[in-house]
Amino acid sequence: DAGVIQSPRHEVTEMGQEVTLRCKPISGHNSLFWYRQTMMRGLELLIYFNNNVPIDDSGMPEDRFSAKMPNASFSTLKIQPSEPRDSAVYFCASSFGVRRFQYFGAGTRLSVL
Amino acid sequence: GIQVEQSPPDLILQEGANSTLRCNFSDSVNNLQWFHQNPWGQLINLFYIPSGTKQNGRLSATTVATERYSLLYISSSQTTDSGVYFCAVEIPTNAGKSTFGDGTTLTVKP
Repeated sequence: DAGVIQSPRHEVTEMGQEVTLRCKPISGHNSLFWYRQTMMRGLELLIYFNNNVPIDDSGMPEDRFSAKMPNASFSTLKIQPSEPRDSAVYFCASSFGVRRFQYFGAGTRLSVL
Repeated sequence: GIQVEQSPPDLILQEGANSTLRCNFSDSVNNLQWFHQNPWGQLINLFYIPSGTKQNGRLSATTVATERYSLLYISSSQTTDSGVYFCAVEIPTNAGKSTFGDGTTLTVKP
């Protein structure tokens, strides 16, 4: 398997623009997680899905952030409008069940100018 | 929420040395994972270890859930072991929601 695939790998945008990050989980995995990593706050769970249903979005920082999982093989994390403080590395991970080994994608490095 | 503390924050070793990394947590957990983030930023899951001991090559981990800590042992360290080691825990009432420690930054010198 190719592993968890995230796109784009790097994104540079201007404040106020909409940003969409994409994730393809490992085939057969039914849990998907979105994390954010910054120097100040470390690794934080933003939201996770089980069987395509959002289970806990309490880590989503504010209404500007939204995530969807329309099917078992695709998820998006959208920021609208983006702000400089959203600059971070965003990771997607998947697992077979929520209490299982998580496999991470390579991450998307987002810079909002 | 649950607090996760890792120690030491930084560790510098000579190649071939052994090391022990520690993860303390403030509440009962039903899941604990150890991750390695390499210098290129890739996160790799090392162990899923809510309790007991597991070994994988030169790495092993032990979690004593009743005493709220976990240890990661690295033997005969290699330069490729360099990076940041994170532990992440989940509490019983919120399966799937991992809380990460701040990590231990390991540098292995040749």
